[in-house]
Amino acid sequence: KQEVTQIPAALSVPEGENLVLNCSFTDSAIYNLQWFRQDPGKGLTSLLLIQSSQREQTSGRLNASLDKSSGRSTLYIAASQPGDSATYLCAVKTNSGYALNFGKGTSLLVTP
Amino acid sequence: NAGVTQTPKFRVLKTGQSMTLLCAQDMNHEYMYWYRQDPGMGLRLIHYSVGEGTTAKGEVPDGYNVSRLKKQNFLLGLESAAPSQTSVYFCATLPLYREFQETQYFGPGTRLLVL
Repeated sequence: KQEVTQIPAALSVPEGENLVLNCSFTDSAIYNLQWFRQDPGKGLTSLLLIQSSQREQTSGRLNASLDKSSGRSTLYIAASQPGDSATYLCAVKTNSGYALNFGKGTSLLVTP
Repeated sequence: NAGVTQTPKFRVLKTGQSMTLLCAQDMNHEYMYWYRQDPGMGLRLIHYSVGEGTTAKGEVPDGYNVSRLKKQNFLLGLESAAPSQTSVYFCATLPLYREFQETQYFGPGTRLLVL
């Protein structure tokens, strides 16, 4: 069974810092890996999707990398802002109807 | 173009009551999913559907039933609600032939409290 782990569970940083969120998965036979953002009481917003053949994806200040062989992904956020405060979820696509297997998330607080 | 909508947004039930959550999509996506999200547990798959008239069990299907009579609707039913089913329920969709390239599209969620 695929297990997805996110470290740390919570993170607090001052505005302007660069930061890294970590995601690991136990089965390297994945279709793709995705990062989502979730604001309190809200739904999920897709940030980045990395296909299994890719090594990284970038969107603005966000960069996600994928090392399938070691079962790891990182989400790098450059020059963090208070508006980045949210929970970040990592998910891998499974073979159960292409459903997603989620980690428990990293709760990020960026202080002014 | 509403995307993925969920009805209701919030509901309070008493133990033993029944209810149906509705997920509706106007994107003509083939795949539909129901997840639940609990504090400290992440999102877990309840049931999913790979097309009209088809359903399958996910990781935590007990206590729930689903139906996909129309392509655009995916219903999640609780026949006899239990406090353990207090959760936030999310519906998601995915287009056919884009399973690897596209993300899933999530609805806004339904908050359910079972007393």
